Amino acid sequence: AQKITQTQPGMFVQEKEAVTLDCTYDTSDPSYGLFWYKQPSSGEMIFLIYQGSYDQQNATEGRYSLNFQKARKSANLVISASQLGDSAMYFCAMREGGTGGRRALTFGSGTRLQVQP
Amino acid sequence: SQTIHQWPATLVQPVGSPLSLECTVEGTSNPNLYWYRQAAGRGLQLLFYSVGIGQISSEVPQNLSASRPQDRQFILSSKKLLLSDSGFYLCAWREPGRGSNQPQHFGDGTRLSIL
Repeated sequence: AQKITQTQPGMFVQEKEAVTLDCTYDTSDPSYGLFWYKQPSSGEMIFLIYQGSYDQQNATEGRYSLNFQKARKSANLVISASQLGDSAMYFCAMREGGTGGRRALTFGSGTRLQVQP
Repeated sequence: SQTIHQWPATLVQPVGSPLSLECTVEGTSNPNLYWYRQAAGRGLQLLFYSVGIGQISSEVPQNLSASRPQDRQFILSSKKLLLSDSGFYLCAWREPGRGSNQPQHFGDGTRLSIL
């Protein structure tokens, strides 16, 4: 089973509007973290925002916010006031808890966001 | 501040040739290090991770190998490249022993094309 599912291969949004990128996850571990990364066409992976499984409040970081619904196992990224520079691939990722150094991320397949002027 | 360097940025290699991609991290000690591969239009797949010098864990069986000869150096290698090894390779690091909210920080990646 997919651990991270991003059901939107591509999204369009008008400049200055808000957009929501969907992410659902699957884990039986009570301790986990959810991350969103942005990948522009140049290829680098840019960390945007983090949500912990025990966090009581939704994470926010500037124009980025995370709509965390734990019971539904969803962690959607909301970008407010879209800018042309927001056009990129967006990846949702999860790190499950436990001991040891693995702490690697499991990534979804990504959503390509295009911001239109 | 911490920085991560990855090279080369692009590489074109013939099938059957060897490979060596290098990644170094500055400004931190004993980082957790990771190699990911990204196929075109896809998400990232973890290949290897390391929690210390000489300690390598493999996630996916393949003809690639990794080594960590120094604390902040992580090398991805192959003796004989296959066509299926084409892709975008990303190195990442993370602070060890910190809370689960610590993100991984990625290098700029190497775009590898096998001919």
